[in-house]
Amino acid sequence: VELVESGGGMVQPGTSLRLSCAASGFIFSSYAMHWVRQAPGKGLEWVAYIAYDGNNTHFADSVKGRLTISRDNSKNTLYLHINSLRVQDTAVYYCAKEGASYPYEASHYYDFWGQGALVTVSS
Amino acid sequence: SYVLTQSPSVSVAPGQTARITCGGNNIGSKSVHWYRQKPGQAPVVVVYDDSDRPSAIPERFSGSNSENTATLTISRVEAGDEADYFCQVWDSFSDHVVFGGGTKLTVL
Repeated sequence: VELVESGGGMVQPGTSLRLSCAASGFIFSSYAMHWVRQAPGKGLEWVAYIAYDGNNTHFADSVKGRLTISRDNSKNTLYLHINSLRVQDTAVYYCAKEGASYPYEASHYYDFWGQGALVTVSS
Repeated sequence: SYVLTQSPSVSVAPGQTARITCGGNNIGSKSVHWYRQKPGQAPVVVVYDDSDRPSAIPERFSGSNSENTATLTISRVEAGDEADYFCQVWDSFSDHVVFGGGTKLTVL
């Protein structure tokens, strides 16, 4: 299993960014996926969830309305689009794979994580 | 929203047992997962569903969960166990993942 994030970098406040997570080594279309972020020196913060088929999504209250999570199962790729970026969005963004495939994912734990993509929001 | 509370730090001598706790309202009714994170690395699951261990994690790692506290126990602690440990649950009322604030394990 491999998860490789891309699309991070330094951006200005108020702009938008799209992160990608290329997945391999498992049946991507059978697993829900998440984005989790970690601000410098801080703990883990869950950001977003998308069901195995893309038909259900959930977002953390702190980012709701500014984020879109999507997936392309034909390309084995997960996406996170962040609008109206704020300094407080500065973090390493990880994509994470659920440990159980649909329909057995009730406990929602992560068995694999990507290496992370650093997003720095600064003027 | 559901809150998980962890002590910021735990210190233990090599060979001793470390216990890292995660408090939450009626957490015993939820499945708790634990992750280890070393500096500059992505988290790694060490215990899931309260007490299950991935095959790559040594038996020294174990978990329990009852009432308002879940516990990660690391027996015969080694220097390589020094890391940040995070607990995590799924809150089915809000359909949110919740992480604890993390506990830094220091091996003396």
